[in-house]
Amino acid sequence: EVVLTQSPGTLSLSPGERATLSCRASQGVSSYLAWYQQKPGQAPRLLIYDASNRATGIPARFSGSGSGTDFTLTISSLEPEDFAVYYCQQRGNWPITFGQGTRLEIK
Amino acid sequence: EVHLVESGGGLVKPGGSLRLSCAASGFTFSTYSMNWVRLAPGKGLEWVSSIISTRRSSSDYIYYADSVKGRFTISRDNAKNSLYLQMNSLRAEDTAVYYCARDSAPYGDYHTFDSWGQGTLVTVSS
Repeated sequence: EVVLTQSPGTLSLSPGERATLSCRASQGVSSYLAWYQQKPGQAPRLLIYDASNRATGIPARFSGSGSGTDFTLTISSLEPEDFAVYYCQQRGNWPITFGQGTRLEIK
Repeated sequence: EVHLVESGGGLVKPGGSLRLSCAASGFTFSTYSMNWVRLAPGKGLEWVSSIISTRRSSSDYIYYADSVKGRFTISRDNAKNSLYLQMNSLRAEDTAVYYCARDSAPYGDYHTFDSWGQGTLVTVSS
């Protein structure tokens, strides 16, 4: 099973700042990595698929990069609505696995 | 607009059973692979099960996480646009919000989840 390790566990930033979230896989998953955002009491929302492709309706401030074992989600300038928990998920190796999440909180 | 609505959650004793349902609308349900994903208290998301729709066969392929294999059964009724999860021999560690989630494209096992329901809470406790 591929273990996805997200860092940091919690990230404290202010609106307008740049956020960089990391996801590291225990073995290569090619580019088969997605990022999701989840707010309390809400369903997860797909942000990025196949490492770098924005999902429909996702603002351009969200971008993804990486391949193999190291991936990054970048939010170029934080908006108030971006403070949430972010999960990475891989589909490159069976079974599908998620990271443990990064909580992005307002500083 | 894609709409997924889960139901059937509740409080159940260890060893008990529950059947979750997910009502789908806004897309051609029969052509999409569907999934169950759960979020346990204080933990991250965990994939539970997938039912894969393919062009080549009228039969669906089914997969389970090891943690639920032999206890949970995923199924679908395309005539009713509904997905199900029969959960037997429930354990305390199955306590979670259960989400149904749609694959991102029809006819395949893309395992990227582009639409989610709001979830239904399952609590396993004596």
